[in-house]
Parts: sequence; structure tokens; C-alpha cells
Amino acid sequence: GAGVSQSPSNKVTEKGKDVELRCDPISGHTALYWYRQSLGQGLEFLIYFQGNSAPDKSGLPSDRFSAERTGGSVSTLTIQRTQQEDSAVYLCASSFRLNTEAFFGQGTRLTVV
Amino acid sequence: SQELEQSPQSLIVQEGKNLTINCTSSKTLYGLYWYKQKYGEGLIFLMMLQKGGEEKSHEKITAKLDEKKQQSSLHITASQPSHAGIYLCGADPWYGGATNKLIFGTGTLLAVQP
Repeated sequence: GAGVSQSPSNKVTEKGKDVELRCDPISGHTALYWYRQSLGQGLEFLIYFQGNSAPDKSGLPSDRFSAERTGGSVSTLTIQRTQQEDSAVYLCASSFRLNTEAFFGQGTRLTVV
Repeated sequence: SQELEQSPQSLIVQEGKNLTINCTSSKTLYGLYWYKQKYGEGLIFLMMLQKGGEEKSHEKITAKLDEKKQQSSLHITASQPSHAGIYLCGADPWYGGATNKLIFGTGTLLAVQP
């Protein structure tokens, strides 16, 4: 596609439910990043992928968070047993390779009620 | 840990005025990125700086990275309402090698009054 696509754009879920957030990067981009943006806070780095591999998962807030990437393309961020503090905008970005400019998707606004 | 401080936190200028946003790091940066964010539109990439003393311009926006690679400024000339939004600096921290973790400042909210 022309840009990074994220789905859904908005998600409201009940506390305790699992959610999956999807990111379709720009075709040919090998690096993929996940960020979280909470109200009043900056962008928080969660995880990045180089190909299908995630060398550094230390940014994930808890073991309820996991992410995978398949075929060097689509990535899914899964949050299990959602909590209210998980409410945020989750942003995905991709770049041609590491350390080049990253292009962001529109984000998924997650609201846990 | 690497932190990026942006100043000012918010800025209101009259249309046509020039303005500068600053981004300061406590450590040397491997790369410095500027993004603009408008509500509901995600982040828009503006410019990337990697070399000390580097300066880049696009239309009426100029970004500079100092020689020590610890401070960057974003300058907008003759501001227009279309420049309004949140400006974010992002950096790849350098600890002897790129970490590939882009971290961001808290942003500068810019409003341009017609």
C-alpha cells in the first residue's frame, strides 16, 4: 500500500478482554516499530522488528503484551486481559531499514472500559 | 536513560511570524528526527539529521543539529495556519552503536492565529 495501515482505527473493549491490533507496513520496509501514546505523555517505544525478528522486547510494559510479525510484513500487537491503563493510541511505523526515516500509521485508539 | 526535552511545551504565534522549537538530549545522538502530528492524522515525517552541524530545509521549515549532536532546533519562517500541530523530535540514542529504539520528546503544541 501507499502508507502504513493500522486496524482497527478505534477499539473499545471491556476490562479483562484480549485485543489484537494490526499493522500493515509499507511494502518492502524491513523494520517495523510499535509505540504507545497516552494522554499527556510522549510516545513510548514498545518493540521493533527487523524482518520477523524482535531483538529487543524490553519496552513491552508487561507480560500481557506480545507482538509478532509474519512474512516480514504484517505485525500484530496483542494485549491480554486488558486493563484501563492500557487505554492509549497505539502507533505502528515502518522504515526501509533500521536507522532510516520511519513512516507512521494513523494509530489505533484503544479504550478499555 | 536517554531523554529528550523539548521547548517550549506550547506556542501560540500570529500568522506570518517566525518561531523556533528546541530539542535537547543529555547524550550524543545517532540520529535526530522531526515529526509533525495532527489529531487523527498520525505522525508525519519532516526531516532527519545525522551529522553534527547538519542543516536541512523543506519549504519554510529548517532543522539544524549542533556539532555535538545533542541539540536540534526546528525553525519555521512566516508561519501559516497549516503549520499548526504537535511537533515531535525523535532520536536514535547512541551508546557506541545505534540502538534502533526511536525515542521521542513530549512534543511542542503549535497554534497559529490568523
